[in-house]
Amino acid sequence: SYELTQPPSVSVSPGQTASITCSGDKLGDKYACWYQHKPGQSPVVVIYQDNRRPSGIPERFSGSNSGNTATLTISGTQAMDEADYYCQAWDSSTAVFGTGTKVTVL
Amino acid sequence: EVQLLESGGGLVQPGGSLRLSCAASGFIFSSYAMNWVRQAPGKGLEWVSYISGSGNSTYYADSVKGRFTISRDNSKKTLYLQMNSLRTEDTAVYYCARPGTTGGDWFDPWGQGTLVTVSS
Repeated sequence: SYELTQPPSVSVSPGQTASITCSGDKLGDKYACWYQHKPGQSPVVVIYQDNRRPSGIPERFSGSNSGNTATLTISGTQAMDEADYYCQAWDSSTAVFGTGTKVTVL
Repeated sequence: EVQLLESGGGLVQPGGSLRLSCAASGFIFSSYAMNWVRQAPGKGLEWVSYISGSGNSTYYADSVKGRFTISRDNSKKTLYLQMNSLRTEDTAVYYCARPGTTGGDWFDPWGQGTLVTVSS
């Protein structure tokens, strides 16, 4: 079965840039999206179709996808960005989520 | 405003059954496929099942295949998940989620979730 692998945790100082990777076989041939999930809340999409940002999502969130790796970048990270982040793609009529990355803003 | 509201969660014994519902509003329900996604305590997100807008096509995660059944009633704008032969590892918050657009491959929005606890 298809797997998407993310680093378990990323730490970033306020105002700095956080990058979260998502690795999967030929992931660049698929569309990747990213969700932000805060405790007690429902997940929210922050990037879809590799690099598109939904309305209402701050410009500091950006995405890319090439080869075997998709990347979510948070520029000028703010305390409110502290959350779990998951990548997601479809493979053979199955939605696959990444293993998740906890972003801590120190 | 697009809204998804899950219900039906609760405590059930191993081997038991439960049916979850997801009431939709604010969009043309029959035009959208729908999905169930779950999150076990302390774990990540796990996709569970998909159903097409017409209900003619369904897909399942291997972990629930043969035990769970997804269905929908477009006249009632409601999505269902019938869960049979429940196991302790099915304990999770279950979310219903809609694609961002008709035919879209991302989930937006999500419901608020309903907790299913499988325990004796």
